[in-house]
Amino acid sequence: DQQVKQNSPSLSVQEGRISILNCDYTNSMFDYFLWYKKYPAEGPTFLISISSIKDKNEDGRFTVFLNKSAKHLSLHIVPSQPGDSAVYFCAASLGSGNEKLTFGTGTRLTIIP
Amino acid sequence: EAQVTQNPRYLITVTGKKLTVTCSQNMNHEYMSWYRQDPGLGLRQIYYSMNVEVTDKGDVPEGYKVSRKEKRNFPLILESPSPNQTSLYFCASTFSGTRIDTQYFGPGTRLTVL
Repeated sequence: DQQVKQNSPSLSVQEGRISILNCDYTNSMFDYFLWYKKYPAEGPTFLISISSIKDKNEDGRFTVFLNKSAKHLSLHIVPSQPGDSAVYFCAASLGSGNEKLTFGTGTRLTIIP
Repeated sequence: EAQVTQNPRYLITVTGKKLTVTCSQNMNHEYMSWYRQDPGLGLRQIYYSMNVEVTDKGDVPEGYKVSRKEKRNFPLILESPSPNQTSLYFCASTFSGTRIDTQYFGPGTRLTVL
């Protein structure tokens, strides 16, 4: 049973435009959410996170939005750059101090120059 | 440089031939874990360790063993590999009980079992 889902396996966006990656979860006990970025032949690297007490967190070109009632989060990248082309995983945990992560299936983002 | 290393990076083996994938971290992290990544399934946790000599099953532990005799090392053991264990494996580590976004991942080990 996939508790964290990313329904779009792939997404192509023109350079300079906004990329929006979506993630849904089913476990209402999840309290902390993260996005990881993964390049080929490398491990995932942390990108941005959000606690359930917030509905938005911003870091430069990256913004994560959380809608707890809909059990939905999204990652916005503005403006998109070629170096953003990667696989993005959303992940959830039961708290910021809880080490166990439950990952989504990933979305491959391609930025078109 | 803070890092998690895995060896080997690539491995092709045959069914039933025991193998070990090593994982080592140089950050004095207490928590270490193993994940496998499969198409359409994302990353799934295999085993984790809260500290030396403390290990526990993750979501998909069948067919795997681990040990944590030293803080820095957390090897993954496949006693009798089968083709369904063909996958991309990641080791990860973090300080226990701190913000989870400090979790570091190794570069991955691509395993093929024929």
